[in-house]
This record gives sequence, structure tokens and C-alpha cells, in this order.
Amino acid sequence: AQSVTQLGSHVSVSEGALVLLRCNYSSSVPPYLFWYVQYPNQGLQLLLKYTSAATLVKGINGFEAEFKKSETSFHLTKPSAHMSDAAEYFCAVSDSPVGAGGTSYGKLTFGQGTILTVHP
Amino acid sequence: EAGVTQSPTHLIKTRGQQVTLRCSPISGHTSVYWYQQALGLGLQFLLWYDEGEERNRGNFPPRFSGRQFPNYSSELNVNALELEDSALYLCASSPYLRTTQYFGPGTRLTVL
Repeated sequence: AQSVTQLGSHVSVSEGALVLLRCNYSSSVPPYLFWYVQYPNQGLQLLLKYTSAATLVKGINGFEAEFKKSETSFHLTKPSAHMSDAAEYFCAVSDSPVGAGGTSYGKLTFGQGTILTVHP
Repeated sequence: EAGVTQSPTHLIKTRGQQVTLRCSPISGHTSVYWYQQALGLGLQFLLWYDEGEERNRGNFPPRFSGRQFPNYSSELNVNALELEDSALYLCASSPYLRTTQYFGPGTRLTVL
């Protein structure tokens, strides 16, 4: 079964500081990994995705994430936080189409989310 | 390009009632997914539809059901509402066998 663990339910940084949101996954097949952001009272917006190409993935709004198979991690980073980055961030895992079929296919399994607060 | 749309935005129901939520996918997407985001329970997969058929189902009771129409829009029906059904219900869409899902703004359901 797939699972995702996000370390730290709350992360607080100062504006201009490095943002690091941690995500570890467990998957029995080659995973596809995603980061989504949710602003208050809104749906989920895709930030970036890893689909077995380059291990360093660049997304929108200056975010990037690195897939490390040996560490089963997919941490999200941004060099310099902006006030507008304050939101809740979700890491998610999905079976690749190679693993089509079975009980986990077609669904995203999400972590519990990390609320990012940015202080001026 | 229009994104995933959901209606209504908010809904208030009482215990025991039935509710129908609606979702229109991005043009060209044939798969529709439903998720529940309840306080303290995180985001949980409910249902996946493609080409009018239910392809996968999460760990929810049968009173959660849905369907997909020929134009690929979808409905989520919840019967015999319980207080714990209060949540944000998110719909997502993707092309078939494409793993990236794009989400709508959600429907906030409150059960009193």
C-alpha cells in the first residue's frame, strides 16, 4: 500500500528565508509524486510533479523538489519565501501507469499537509 | 482553458438527508475523481470514474455513490447524511491513464 508522511504539520519562516517542506513516501511500484498547494477556502493547485524523468523537478512560483529514491523522499524547497507562499502544502503519491490495476491505481494518496506561515 | 468546476459552492443539510454534488472536468479529460477533505482526516480518495464507469473506489460506505455522464461531467451522491460527512468535497480530472489530476474549488458540505 502507498503512503506519504509529511514531517511537520506547521512550518514557520521569515520572508526571504529558505522554505523546506519534507515528504517521505512508501510505494511498492515506481511512484509518481506530486506537490499541491491549497490556499484558504480553495481547491488544490498543482505545484510540481515527478514522473520518473529528471530527479530535480521545477514547479511554479519558484518551488522545486528533488526525488531521492535511496531516501524515499521528495522534499519541497524554495530559496526565498514570499508572504504569498503562506498556505497549506500537500505531498501526494500515485501509481505510475506501469502499475495499472490493483486497488491503488487511479487515486492519489496524500500526506497530512504542512501549513506554511511566512513572517514579515 | 476553463478548469474543473464544481457546484454548489456551499451546502447545508441536516442528518438523514440526501445531497448531490456536481463536477465538470477540464475539456478533453475523461477521468473524474472525487475526494473528501474532512477536518482532522485529511484528503481521502472517494471514487474514480472514466468513460461512464466506476474504475476504483475508496474505503467509504455504499451511501456514497456517483455517476459520470456522456459529456464526462459527474455527480457525487451521499444518502442518509451523517454529521461526520461535513467536509470539503473536491473533484479532480485528468485524461485517461494520465496520473496528473487537476482539482476544482470544492463544495463545502455542512451537516447539522
